[in-house]
Amino acid sequence: KAGVTQTPRYLIKTRGQQVTLSCSPISGHRSVSWYQQTPGQGLQFLFEYFSETQRNKGNFPGRFSGRQFSNSRSEMNVSTLELGDSALYLCASRYRTGGFETQYFGPGTRLLVL
Amino acid sequence: SQQGEEDPQALSIQEGENATMNCSYKTSINNLQWYRQNSGRGLVHLILIRSNEREKHSGRLRVTLDTSKKSSSLLITASRAADTASYFCATDAYGIQGAQKLVFGQGTRLTINP
Repeated sequence: KAGVTQTPRYLIKTRGQQVTLSCSPISGHRSVSWYQQTPGQGLQFLFEYFSETQRNKGNFPGRFSGRQFSNSRSEMNVSTLELGDSALYLCASRYRTGGFETQYFGPGTRLLVL
Repeated sequence: SQQGEEDPQALSIQEGENATMNCSYKTSINNLQWYRQNSGRGLVHLILIRSNEREKHSGRLRVTLDTSKKSSSLLITASRAADTASYFCATDAYGIQGAQKLVFGQGTRLTINP
């Protein structure tokens, strides 16, 4: 099976702009989670989607949002970008939510905000 | 804030030696996972150990879990240059409706010198 794919891989934006990142999970996986990784804060959970519903949300401002489509693909959106949003954004998928299941990560989207 | 704390933050050893990394966490868990990350790329799942397991092996990897001390260790035996990476432990935390999120430690940066 193909792994988790994320597009784009690299992105440069300026403050105040908005950005949309895309994640395609492993075929058959219905749960998609998003994480932000920065040198200062490390890896932090953003949100999880399962069957097009947000099941869990991390402690991020409302500028961070996401959605999941019927084919399990997910997008996350960051509006009014700030310099501190520069990070590696990782997407992970699982077959289902809960239980002893491994999350499989994509290669990430590196966002630079200038 | 991060659930886990990893020790040491950085480790440099000679090829062929064993590398041991430790992880401590704060709350009760269902399972603990170890991931590897090469140069700010995606996370690769290494091993999952359940809360009722004490030790698990996978190839050159050995993971132990001590729930009474809320700690885990990852041992990589006969290290190779390709093992150079950052290693993260992650514990699960459950939100509403059983939705899972991983809470990561800050990671150990492992360098294998030829």
